Amino acid sequence: GAGVSQSPSNKVTEKGKDVELRCDPISGHTALYWYRQSLGQGLEFLIYFQGNSAPDKSGLPSDRFSAERTGGSVSTLTIQRTQQEDSAVYLCASSLAFTGANTGELFFGEGSRLTVL
Amino acid sequence: AQSVTQLDSQVPVFEEAPVELRCNYSSSVSVYLFWYVQYPNQGLQLLLKYLSGSTLVESINGFEAEFNKSQTSFHLRKPSVHISDTAEYFCAVSDHPYNFNKFYFGSGTKLNVKP
Repeated sequence: GAGVSQSPSNKVTEKGKDVELRCDPISGHTALYWYRQSLGQGLEFLIYFQGNSAPDKSGLPSDRFSAERTGGSVSTLTIQRTQQEDSAVYLCASSLAFTGANTGELFFGEGSRLTVL
Repeated sequence: AQSVTQLDSQVPVFEEAPVELRCNYSSSVSVYLFWYVQYPNQGLQLLLKYLSGSTLVESINGFEAEFNKSQTSFHLRKPSVHISDTAEYFCAVSDHPYNFNKFYFGSGTKLNVKP
């Protein structure tokens, strides 16, 4: 597709279950980001990928959170043993490679809304 | 690390009135500044950015923002708003030139334009 695609758009799960959130970035975008948007909060940085490697995963809130990216394209964010405080909208964004031509624009998906009961 | 403050969580305004959405950031080192907009039921999209050069930057739909280094601000303005400007606006800062591996976002300002 032309834009960043995220799935599922909505996920309701029970506390303690594992969830996987998927992001399909714009073709050719080597950088991929995950952010979390909680009610009334700004966007919280989680992790950034350059290609398949994650040079910055400093924003992952706990070891229950992990992410991977394969083939320099699709990324999956996994949350194990979900807690109620994990409820939020998880946003994925992609951008071009870091060169002088990169104007720094992030292209966002519409997000995956996670509700943990 | 940077922090970004958007003091106004909601701004109600009547159509055709002027508006200013405030954004302040924490550090005065070299920064790269952005405003993103999120229309209802859509993803965030870039509205305008400051990377270097003129401190006044404009968007295609009439918004402008001015980089003020001494006040560490990047306020967003529009002289006359339309109903279609109703959206949530996020200010963002990066302190890495051409290495935007980490953006710091504010908490957002919901602009509600009333007829």
